[in-house]
Amino acid sequence: NAGVTQTPKFRVLKTGQSMTLLCAQDMNHEYMYWYRQDPGMGLRLIHYSVGEGTTAKGEVPDGYNVSRLKKQNFLLGLESAAPSQTSVYFCASKPAGLSNQPQHFGDGTRLSIL
Amino acid sequence: DQQVKQNSPSLSVQEGRISILNCDYTNSMFDYFLWYKKYPAEGPTFLISISSIKDKNEDGRFTVFLNKSAKHLSLHIVPSQPGDSAVYFCAASYNFNKFYFGSGTKLNVKP
Repeated sequence: NAGVTQTPKFRVLKTGQSMTLLCAQDMNHEYMYWYRQDPGMGLRLIHYSVGEGTTAKGEVPDGYNVSRLKKQNFLLGLESAAPSQTSVYFCASKPAGLSNQPQHFGDGTRLSIL
Repeated sequence: DQQVKQNSPSLSVQEGRISILNCDYTNSMFDYFLWYKKYPAEGPTFLISISSIKDKNEDGRFTVFLNKSAKHLSLHIVPSQPGDSAVYFCAASYNFNKFYFGSGTKLNVKP
């Protein structure tokens, strides 16, 4: 059982380059999330989605775009990478609605911007 | 401004003793609280949660306490084991959609 899978696991980019991080979940969850983890900052929400075709901004959305074309996939895009976007990125998913269900996380993507 | 705070970046405990990890929050609308455990190079994994209608929830060696008046929750691990060494994050939510995380506490359980 794969759960939440993030691709790639590591990536080094040059400033100004673009890339897309892929998150795939096989649990039929409605809600999906993208977080970044920085030292001393914990997990900060970038964007999230409550269903296929819908997305919303989180705490730190600037410089990122997302798409949820299929229920199982949530993509995070960096159009023009900046050194401040060097971080570990985590994707998570959970069932919908007013239920005390925790999020399930992927193992992260470590991204370095030079 | 962080709505969920973990003021202790690290904690060291002897095997067999109790570990107490603390978390404070500022938003009185939060009604669901969780603790996650994270090992290096892995994603956070859910450990235990508590609803605001309760003040205690227990699962084996793990107990979470909630003090709503103080806007404080704590995680007790008894007895602590070396395998418990990890980073622990507390998180809070008020609509089950968005979750706010603390900065984490690194627990080291010494054999």
